[in-house]
Amino acid sequence: AQKVTQAQTEISVVEKEDVTLDCVYETRDTTYYLFWYKQPPSGELVFLIRRNSFDEQNEISGRYSWNFQKSTSSFNFTITASQVVDSAVYFCALSEAPEVRATNKLIFGTGTLLAVQP
Amino acid sequence: ETGVTQTPRHLVMGMTNKKSLKCEQHLGHNAMYWYKQSAKKPLELMFVYSLEERVENNSVPSRFSPECPNSSHLFLHLHTLQPEDSALYLCASSQDGTRDNEQFFGPGTRLTVL
Repeated sequence: AQKVTQAQTEISVVEKEDVTLDCVYETRDTTYYLFWYKQPPSGELVFLIRRNSFDEQNEISGRYSWNFQKSTSSFNFTITASQVVDSAVYFCALSEAPEVRATNKLIFGTGTLLAVQP
Repeated sequence: ETGVTQTPRHLVMGMTNKKSLKCEQHLGHNAMYWYKQSAKKPLELMFVYSLEERVENNSVPSRFSPECPNSSHLFLHLHTLQPEDSALYLCASSQDGTRDNEQFFGPGTRLTVL
């Protein structure tokens, strides 16, 4: 069965600190996708990144970086020099690779609430 | 209009009321989703439509009734709800059957059932 675990329910940091959000997944599929979404207080889930299971290269986008390790089934997310605007709930999610006419069911973790204090 | 929109943003209803949530996507996608987000629980997938055909119904009580008249619009009709149905209801869309399969979400409707 597919499952996503975000063991950190809440994290509090002070502005400019680096913070890493952990994500561990389980799947029997050999082809799958991993995602991170951000949910600010406004409620809307904002897509941050998609990574497929064949691409283990780490990715950096500005202050955000992602570390995908298939050996440990982890897809961790690091925010460098955190800012107050980074305060949100962050969700990691897993999806099987789509087939023709298949739907892209996302399995979400329970989310990590990040509070960045000024 | 951009992305995925949802109306209303907030809704308070009694258990005997009938109401509908509306979702509209402006991304040209062919699949739409309803999720329920309750406090301290993972997002729960409720319904999925692909090419206007319902392809997923995750054992959702019949007091929730979805409708997808076209690929841009999705409704969730509510009747005789229970207080435990109070939650944030999120709509999402995606391009089914392609590698660009990320789902884009609307801002949600915060539903309170009294």
